[in-house]
Amino acid sequence: DQQVKQNSPSLSVQEGRISILNCDYTNSMFDYFLWYKKYPAEGPTFLISISSIKDKNEDGRFTVFLNKSAKHLSLHIVPSQPGDSAVYFCAATLNSRNNDMRFGAGTRLTVKP
Amino acid sequence: DAGITQSPRHKVTETGTPVTLRCHQTENHRYMYWYRQDPGHGLRLIHYSYGVKDTDKGEVSDGYSVSRSKTEDFLLTLESATSSQTSVYFCAISESRQNNSPLHFGNGTRLTVT
Repeated sequence: DQQVKQNSPSLSVQEGRISILNCDYTNSMFDYFLWYKKYPAEGPTFLISISSIKDKNEDGRFTVFLNKSAKHLSLHIVPSQPGDSAVYFCAATLNSRNNDMRFGAGTRLTVKP
Repeated sequence: DAGITQSPRHKVTETGTPVTLRCHQTENHRYMYWYRQDPGHGLRLIHYSYGVKDTDKGEVSDGYSVSRSKTEDFLLTLESATSSQTSVYFCAISESRQNNSPLHFGNGTRLTVT
């Protein structure tokens, strides 16, 4: 039962353009959402997060948008850079607790020079 | 980078053999986690620990056990490995259980059960 879904396994964009990674969830009780980034042969690293009481959070080139009514989360990267090429995991938690975190399957982003 | 070391980095073992994976941290964080990553599933929590000798089950704990005798070490044991346990295993740590304390992951152990 996949409660967090990333329906696009891969995404390719040109350097300098916007990358939009999408994530859908089924459990309306999720109250905190995160994005992690993973390079090959490394562990995931935390990128950005958003609480369910907000609809937008921005950190430099990265912005996360939350649409609770649609149970949809998106990560925008502007402008995209070749170093952004990685797998991005969306995650959601219950009770704001790390041990109740559910991850999506990941989207592989390729940014072409 | 958070000081997390996983060993071994790669292991091939036969079905039915016991396997232990080790996670060592130098951050003195209270919370430690074991995840597995499989294609199409993302990361799934196997077990976690909230202190020395304090552990609890995660989403996919069947077939796995853990131990934490010291703050810095968290061991994951497969008592009798099966082919379905072929996966990449990640250890993670956090200062608290709350989300404002993000997870820091190790670089993973790739386990193949033949």
